[in-house]
Amino acid sequence: GAGVSQSPSNKVTEKGKDVELRCDPISGHTALYWYRQSLGQGLEFLIYFQGNSAPDKSGLPSDRFSAERTGGSVSTLTIQRTQQEDSAVYLCASSPRGSGRMSIAEYNEQFFGPGTRLTVL
Amino acid sequence: DAKTTQPPSMDCAEGRAANLPCNHSTISGNEYVYWYRQIHSQGPQYIIHGLKNNETNEMASLIITEDRKSSTLILPHATLRDTAVYYCIVRSIHSGSARQLTFGSGTQLTVLP
Repeated sequence: GAGVSQSPSNKVTEKGKDVELRCDPISGHTALYWYRQSLGQGLEFLIYFQGNSAPDKSGLPSDRFSAERTGGSVSTLTIQRTQQEDSAVYLCASSPRGSGRMSIAEYNEQFFGPGTRLTVL
Repeated sequence: DAKTTQPPSMDCAEGRAANLPCNHSTISGNEYVYWYRQIHSQGPQYIIHGLKNNETNEMASLIITEDRKSSTLILPHATLRDTAVYYCIVRSIHSGSARQLTFGSGTQLTVLP
């Protein structure tokens, strides 16, 4: 079946511009995560959506970052007034967490998209 | 979640078994061992998970010691496409928080032709 998809795959923008990154999770997955990964670094958690609950925004680095998830499916991560330090690969993951009869360990599995490579000049 | 320790890099000959160790000496009884990998320029990929019994799937086998303080991921017949950074993670099975993934530095596995 179709996996997690993200668009665009690459985005080059100028400092100060706004960007929108899109994530299409696996159909039926109720949990959606945004992470970013700088070159040679580990994952940095940004935000988490679970069903209709309020999102966990604890990882967003500044108020220039925001995300929404419409209809419990597609999610958009928006970065306003981009800065050079925002350059990274932005990864989206979805999880079947809570969306079916399965063990807790199974529904904690996260399925990642290919990422969007953002370069801020 | 318990901390894990992995060697920074390993080499393996193509077609041979790759054995990737992970130490998690502070693991608690309700924590699972998960393995993910990340091929260059791709998103992380789930491989396998286990609690205390050895596990096998189409990608790999996971061997967990009886005291659960360490584990080994085994790729039985490594191919060039298995070259990646492999992450060992220990995570609680209990929900209640976002349960976002946190990767350490992992092991860079290089499969040599």
